[in-house]
Amino acid sequence: ETGVTQTPRHLVMGMTNKKSLKCEQHLGHNAMYWYKQSAKKPLELMFVYNFKEQTENNSVPSRFSPECPNSSHLFLHLHTLQPEDSALYLCASSQLTGHSGNTIYFGEGSWLTVV
Amino acid sequence: GDSVTQMEGPVTLSEEAFLTINCTYTATGYPSLFWYVQYPGEGLQLLLKATKADDKGSNKGFEATYRKETTSFHLEKGSVQVSDSAVYFCALIKEEGNKLVFGAGTILRVKS
Repeated sequence: ETGVTQTPRHLVMGMTNKKSLKCEQHLGHNAMYWYKQSAKKPLELMFVYNFKEQTENNSVPSRFSPECPNSSHLFLHLHTLQPEDSALYLCASSQLTGHSGNTIYFGEGSWLTVV
Repeated sequence: GDSVTQMEGPVTLSEEAFLTINCTYTATGYPSLFWYVQYPGEGLQLLLKATKADDKGSNKGFEATYRKETTSFHLEKGSVQVSDSAVYFCALIKEEGNKLVFGAGTILRVKS
């Protein structure tokens, strides 16, 4: 139990479907993140939310749409995905303190397969 | 730019062998350094961290020391178990920042 819960753990969707990934953190943190982990590629930071405001969009295609309604919840809305978008999507959270030692905690991930 | 370099794997060891996974970094200032572990089919778990030079992070028998002079944060364990088989990621965060810079990951396989 990491304090960051992701659902669903596994998702198979067609290229014309619309689905969403959900993340909830129970750690009282004020920053949340989406990362993508593809086979044989480095971990990629997708989005960063600080205090519910998006502060980073790492050139992510618009078919991925994040939403952060409050500091505990983060969604990733998926629409018209491509097979190459199949990957493990990791949510994470941290407490921004303005000092060094910011530690990021990850969820178990959502395995996405696009068919 | 900032970067983390890890030794390439896979690393294959017998149970109870000594483990070292090398990690070096490039960054200005004094970043915080981390080791994360990813067991098969799971997300990333924080294994240990160090926030300043000469700090030693330790957890579950693993340890790593923040060496500013060699810009290194090598992971060690005295006696590995089959259950330690996983992918290990070295990472850094800049001072007052919140973006992790990851190494490529090192696969560890421990045989009984």
